[in-house]
Amino acid sequence: SAVISQKPSRDICQRGTSLTIQCQVDSQVTMMFWYRQQPGQSLTLIATANQGSEATYESGFVIDKFPISRPNLTFSTLTVSNMSPEDSSIYLCSVLRRMGVKAMNTEAFFGQGTRLTVV
Amino acid sequence: EDKVVQSPLSLVVHEGDTVTLNCSYEVTNFRSLLWYKQEKKAPTFLFMLTSSGIEKKSGRLSSILDKKELFSILNITATQTGDSAVYLCAVDVYEGQGGSEKLVFGKGTKLTVNP
Repeated sequence: SAVISQKPSRDICQRGTSLTIQCQVDSQVTMMFWYRQQPGQSLTLIATANQGSEATYESGFVIDKFPISRPNLTFSTLTVSNMSPEDSSIYLCSVLRRMGVKAMNTEAFFGQGTRLTVV
Repeated sequence: EDKVVQSPLSLVVHEGDTVTLNCSYEVTNFRSLLWYKQEKKAPTFLFMLTSSGIEKKSGRLSSILDKKELFSILNITATQTGDSAVYLCAVDVYEGQGGSEKLVFGKGTKLTVNP
């Protein structure tokens, strides 16, 4: 298994400000994933954070709004910039780890999540 | 575009009932299908399915995958109030030659078990 420490667990922020969320993994991983889960919705992938290269953003998400850092293989940050009430969501980081015989299967592990409320 | 659809979106039952949650998918490069239980923020892993027709069981929960019809079901027997949660279905897809992969999630089924 993988242990992921994510913080803060929750925050209430003023619109127009920025919040940086951190995730620390207990072992080295190549890719880390950042998700957003808006109220009543499923997890939507924001971007994949690769160590040593630019993050890969999904359609509808841009680097200016959600800058990501990945300074090493165990750590990543996601910043939610210039926040508006529409950014109120749960934000989750995740890693995939190959498991099983010949490492053919993949399991996802999640941080504890950050509940963001923008007022 | 890769797509995962869960049904029903919401379900209310009484303790002791048996429920079946559905997940269908349309993806380009399927690796596996995963079920998660989400009670607060972080989803917790339930099952990973890669082969058709092989049932996986864990206590009162079981799941099976049909790769021909592109769906999976999650069964919960003798439900308890502690089973109340959102159940998420995700498909692990791989992309391109580089071997990267990601999970595509369905919207989830919100299960409420009343005493």
